[in-house]
Amino acid sequence: KAGVTQTPRYLIKTRGQQVTLSCSPISGHRSVSWYQQTPGQGLQFLFEYFSETQRNKGNFPGRFSGRQFSNSRSEMNVSTLELGDSALYLCASSPDRTNTEAFFGQGTRLTVV
Amino acid sequence: ILNVEQSPQSLHVQEGDSTNFTCSFPSSNFYALHWYRWETAKSPEALFVMTLNGDEKKKGRISATLNTKEGYSYLYIKGSQPEDSATYLCALSPYSNYQLIWGAGTKLIIKP
Repeated sequence: KAGVTQTPRYLIKTRGQQVTLSCSPISGHRSVSWYQQTPGQGLQFLFEYFSETQRNKGNFPGRFSGRQFSNSRSEMNVSTLELGDSALYLCASSPDRTNTEAFFGQGTRLTVV
Repeated sequence: ILNVEQSPQSLHVQEGDSTNFTCSFPSSNFYALHWYRWETAKSPEALFVMTLNGDEKKKGRISATLNTKEGYSYLYIKGSQPEDSATYLCALSPYSNYQLIWGAGTKLIIKP
């Protein structure tokens, strides 16, 4: 069974640009969550999608957005990049609610210069 | 708002010794408590998901307990090995929304 796949693994962008990150969940998983991790910080929740609907959103500015497709693949977009957006972005999939274990991808390391 | 605290922040343990660390939370109003292990350059990996007060789970040398009445969970590692070196994360899934609320983690370093 293939795991959670995130692409790309590494990305370097310039301030002001926008970026799209992709996450393919484990087959059959309908819930996809996105997290940001910066040095010294825990995992910060961005948003969660289930069956193409955003069910919950974390405390991030509107520059951060996402979507989920009918095959459960998800993308997140960050517009007008700032230096502080440099982070590891992780996605996790699970069958349904968050009382089941989540399976994480390897993450996308975004560097904004 | 649920706030998850983990202690200690980091821990150095001699190989072969046993150790434990704590996840604390102010309320029992959640679906489940999760423990994850995050090794450097890898993805976080689920260890346990616990839902009931008094739950005890075990996987090899690692075990966890949950006390919702007093607001804590312990993770125990028996006979630490170098491969146990990782950051151990605790998270809660609240009733009110569809997200995991994470602690900052305990970084465990096993000294050979």
